[in-house]
Amino acid sequence: GQQLNQSPQSMFIQEGEDVSMNCTSSSIFNTWLWYKQDPGEGPVLLIALYKAGELTSNGRLTAQFGITRKDSFLNISASIPSDVGIYFCAGYQSGGTSYGKLTFGQGTILTVHP
Amino acid sequence: SQTIHQWPATLVQPVGSPLSLECTVEGTSNPNLYWYRQAAGRGLQLLFYSVGIGQISSEVPQNLSASRPQDRQFILSSKKLLLSDSGFYLCAWSGGYQETQYFGPGTRLLVL
Repeated sequence: GQQLNQSPQSMFIQEGEDVSMNCTSSSIFNTWLWYKQDPGEGPVLLIALYKAGELTSNGRLTAQFGITRKDSFLNISASIPSDVGIYFCAGYQSGGTSYGKLTFGQGTILTVHP
Repeated sequence: SQTIHQWPATLVQPVGSPLSLECTVEGTSNPNLYWYRQAAGRGLQLLFYSVGIGQISSEVPQNLSASRPQDRQFILSSKKLLLSDSGFYLCAWSGGYQETQYFGPGTRLLVL
């Protein structure tokens, strides 16, 4: 099946630093989504991107839908301890047998040292 | 606003026992519903999805089954649990923008 290559797999940073993570694929996606999961909880949607080249911000978070439609990145500025968690990218392709189904990256584990 | 509930939050079951996990969605109608399993806090594996009452699609062959008896209710079941069924089970829904899925709080299942 399809896969999304999400990197890095983990990050250890100091509070106040900026964070960047990305997802790439060999296939084209129509939608890119970014989720954050806290330990023991369900993933929470952070940002949704629906258009190639789209750049969207949500507070200190910024995400972009790659112009080739095969990648997306997420930036977190001025990290704080509560940014700790696992970040997942997810892509959606419309039509065919992929109807309604997302393809997920393997996640980036973020640790922030105070 | 829409909310999604899962219960129980945690479950410890012996091998060979039956399983029933429930997911309900409020504040929307005719949602698409999904069951995922997550092992070791990484990687979400889609198990089942449903586009309507009684309509279930299975993604991977396994020891589990799903049912959708009502529009906003999705149930994950097993007749006999295996050790390998342990994991974190997540229910999700999507609506008008079918690709944007919203997750429930999850159920942690430990099979001993």
